[in-house]
Amino acid sequence: EVQLVESGGGLVKPGGSLRLSCAGSGFNFNIYTMSWVRQAPGKGLEWVSSIIKSGTYIAYGESFKGRFTISRDNARNSLYLQMNSLRADDTAVYYCARVPDTPHAGLYFDLWGQGTLVTVSA
Amino acid sequence: AIQLTQSPSSLSASVGDRVTITCRASQDISIALAWYQQKPGKPPKLLIFDATSLESGVPSRFSGGGSGTDFTLTISSLQPEDFATYYCQQFHSYVPLTFGGGTKVEIK
Repeated sequence: EVQLVESGGGLVKPGGSLRLSCAGSGFNFNIYTMSWVRQAPGKGLEWVSSIIKSGTYIAYGESFKGRFTISRDNARNSLYLQMNSLRADDTAVYYCARVPDTPHAGLYFDLWGQGTLVTVSA
Repeated sequence: AIQLTQSPSSLSASVGDRVTITCRASQDISIALAWYQQKPGKPPKLLIFDATSLESGVPSRFSGGGSGTDFTLTISSLQPEDFATYYCQQFHSYVPLTFGGGTKVEIK
């Protein structure tokens, strides 16, 4: 089955850190650009970061630069998000998402994980 | 950043109705637009990419239109399983990628 499974969410205090993981299976993880997208409770979708298949190009939303770090381990079919200096407004479900591997495909998302909830609270 | 404004933010409709949701971009994005459907407690699901292309497996009652700054998602005959929230997303400007605020389609 083609799927993405996130893990690593939980409750963390303001100023704390958390590392999210996303495991891909059922497809060739190595060839896909991967991303993180989050959704605060009752709110809309917000793009966090993307990383190309080789890991040599990375992009972040403005709110996340300097605090969050995306990385991947293609040997383990895994994507990661290291989150530091967490704030209450980082509370959200964090989704791992795949960008299609088709010629001229844009940066949209054809496969999503179920998400992992991060709660930042004292 | 390119802003996407969806309208309406919510709507009530009946099974069998034709429903159209609008997404307006703050600048010309050509056809670099995708539409997603999200049900409560579930991740988004891709419906449309490149403004008008139907994702594999998505029912043909869904269609996308538009280019430049004005886009539409149309459901030709609303089905019970279509009650959900719909989001547009632009990928003309990669940094940042942006989503519309969402349109919740509810049962009348």
